[in-house]
Amino acid sequence: NAGVTQTPKFQVLKTGQSMTLQCAQDMNHEYMSWYRQDPGMGLRLIHYSVGAGITDQGEVPNGYNVSRSTTEDFPLRLLSAAPSQTSVYFCASSYASGNMYEQFFGPGTRLTVL
Amino acid sequence: AQSVTQLDSHVSVSEGTPVLLRCNYSSSYSPSLFWYVQHPNKGLQLLLKYTSAATLVKGINGFEAEFKKSETSFHLTKPSAHMSDAAEYFCVVRDYYGGSQGNLIFGKGTKLSVKP
Repeated sequence: NAGVTQTPKFQVLKTGQSMTLQCAQDMNHEYMSWYRQDPGMGLRLIHYSVGAGITDQGEVPNGYNVSRSTTEDFPLRLLSAAPSQTSVYFCASSYASGNMYEQFFGPGTRLTVL
Repeated sequence: AQSVTQLDSHVSVSEGTPVLLRCNYSSSYSPSLFWYVQHPNKGLQLLLKYTSAATLVKGINGFEAEFKKSETSFHLTKPSAHMSDAAEYFCVVRDYYGGSQGNLIFGKGTKLSVKP
């Protein structure tokens, strides 16, 4: 049971390049989400999914795209990277509802856009 | 809408002294509240959660938090700090509205320093 895995751990991009951050979980969780962490800002929600085929926007969705074709995977796409997207990105998953609710976080991807 | 405010961006304590990290929440419903910890260059780990059961919640590593509805607070405490407690701590509330049920709303974080 690997939990939530993210690849790559580090990435450097040039402005305008595109890339996909990978996230996978092996806990059969319906709910998955992406956050970005910036100094002094806490974590802010980018996109989330409540099940395969269902995605929705969070607080800061601009410049990012997601899809959820399987329960296990929830990739985050940067369409045209900008320096403002330099951040640490965390993927998380959980059971969808109920008091047995805990989000499990991946180890993060540190992205730098030059 | 739900929100949380962490009242201190940085707290410094000496090893062996008590820790108090303050958090106030705003919620129209009975909230689900969490504390997460992030050690340097690591992911986030759940310390404890409150989901309308006992108001005093015990977590891992000797931490606990008390839910006080009258004060809309959920402060995190530990009787005696250890060097390994140095980390950033996030107070978090669960969103309740419509399709966003399940989304977490994070405070801005409190960085805890522990002096020897």
